[in-house]
Amino acid sequence: EDQVTQSPEALRLQEGESSSLNCSYTVSGLRGLFWYRQDPGKGPEFLFTLYSAGEEKEKERLKATLTKKESFLHITAPKPEDSATYLCAVPVDSGYALNFGKGTSLLVTP
Amino acid sequence: EAGVAQSPRYKIIEKRQSVAFWCNPISGHATLYWYQQILGQGPKLLIQFQNNGVVDDSQLPKDRFSAERLKGVDSTLKIQPAKLEDSAVYLCASSYTGSTEAFFGQGTRLTVV
Repeated sequence: EDQVTQSPEALRLQEGESSSLNCSYTVSGLRGLFWYRQDPGKGPEFLFTLYSAGEEKEKERLKATLTKKESFLHITAPKPEDSATYLCAVPVDSGYALNFGKGTSLLVTP
Repeated sequence: EAGVAQSPRYKIIEKRQSVAFWCNPISGHATLYWYQQILGQGPKLLIQFQNNGVVDDSQLPKDRFSAERLKGVDSTLKIQPAKLEDSAVYLCASSYTGSTEAFFGQGTRLTVV
């Protein structure tokens, strides 16, 4: 059973068109919810960690939020350089490695 | 601070051949991970080291994959013999002990033909 499910699989936005990416998780005793950005041909780059429901974190045009069942990555007034795949992950059972979702591929057009 | 270094960046081999990937983690990071990322998927953990000991290799196909971290720093991942389904990007990541904040290298893209 998948622990992390991301939607949509792909998203195309016009520059300046705000939207949200979803990450739903099915783990008990959440020990962190992680967001990474991955550009083509590169490894994932850490963005945020959220630990408890209600927590929010921001970085430039990105804001991550967390509830007891899901996390949202809100993108406000995106620019073409925000185009990337956004990955969500939770720690594996009793460990520190990460269990990743399949990601959302975001394309922002001028 | 230097990031996680991996080599080679790309490798093309024929099925049944062998291949090895190398990783140098961030200085001071005792924990090292190898992940496999198939096109269109998220990274999947293959093996985790703590210093030079294996913490988790439950998802490593041990009949063909092997990994070592002899001196607790650099690591090598080997596939022998390779299959077509091994075509993927192999990512190395490292972190401080007890931290889930991992830093990834750029990966090695393997194509098996």
